Amino acid sequence: ETGVTQSPTHLIKTRGQQVTLRCSSQSGHNTVSWYQQALGQGPQFIFQYYREEENGRGNFPPRFSGLQFPNYSSELNVNALELDDSALYLCASSLEPGDVYGYTFGSGTRLTVV
Amino acid sequence: QKEVEQNSGPLSVPEGAIASLNCTYSDRGSQSFFWYRQYSGKSPELIMSIYSNGDKEDGRFTAQLNKASQYVSLLIRDSQPSDSATYLCAVIDSSASKIIFGSGTRLSIRP
Repeated sequence: ETGVTQSPTHLIKTRGQQVTLRCSSQSGHNTVSWYQQALGQGPQFIFQYYREEENGRGNFPPRFSGLQFPNYSSELNVNALELDDSALYLCASSLEPGDVYGYTFGSGTRLTVV
Repeated sequence: QKEVEQNSGPLSVPEGAIASLNCTYSDRGSQSFFWYRQYSGKSPELIMSIYSNGDKEDGRFTAQLNKASQYVSLLIRDSQPSDSATYLCAVIDSSASKIIFGSGTRLSIRP
């Protein structure tokens, strides 16, 4: 049990639909980073939220958006789903953006787009 | 584009032997380096961190860092079947804002 929880664990959506994934960060952590991990690949950085503000974004289109709430939990929203969005989505929390102690990951949300 | 490179494997090692995993990174300003272990279908788990040149040992695991060569490695001694997993090398980029991951090396420990 890492203290970082993600929901749902699995999700099947149809191409063109929208999806919202949720993450509760570990107690005391004010930074949440989202990653997309396709099968056989390493996690790819989507974006990061620090104290409710976006603090960096990877090479993902604007249809990937997010929020961080005052309790530091976070949402990842993906609009106009495409087949290539099928992946494991990982949320990681940390004490700060470049936390030298590393990131703690949640168990992930497996998204399948059909 | 800041990158972290790993051999994807699979790397097959007999039980009880030493497994050696390697990683190079492009961001010369990076100062913090990590090894994560990921079992199939699970999320990454932090197993080692290293910040200074040289070796850092933790049980059966030894991380090695050479900043001049931009090279990080992980040695696993007395390999066990439970070590079979994908090992992800990760670095904090020089802007100190995020962790960048390699694509992972799949390790298989054969009996």
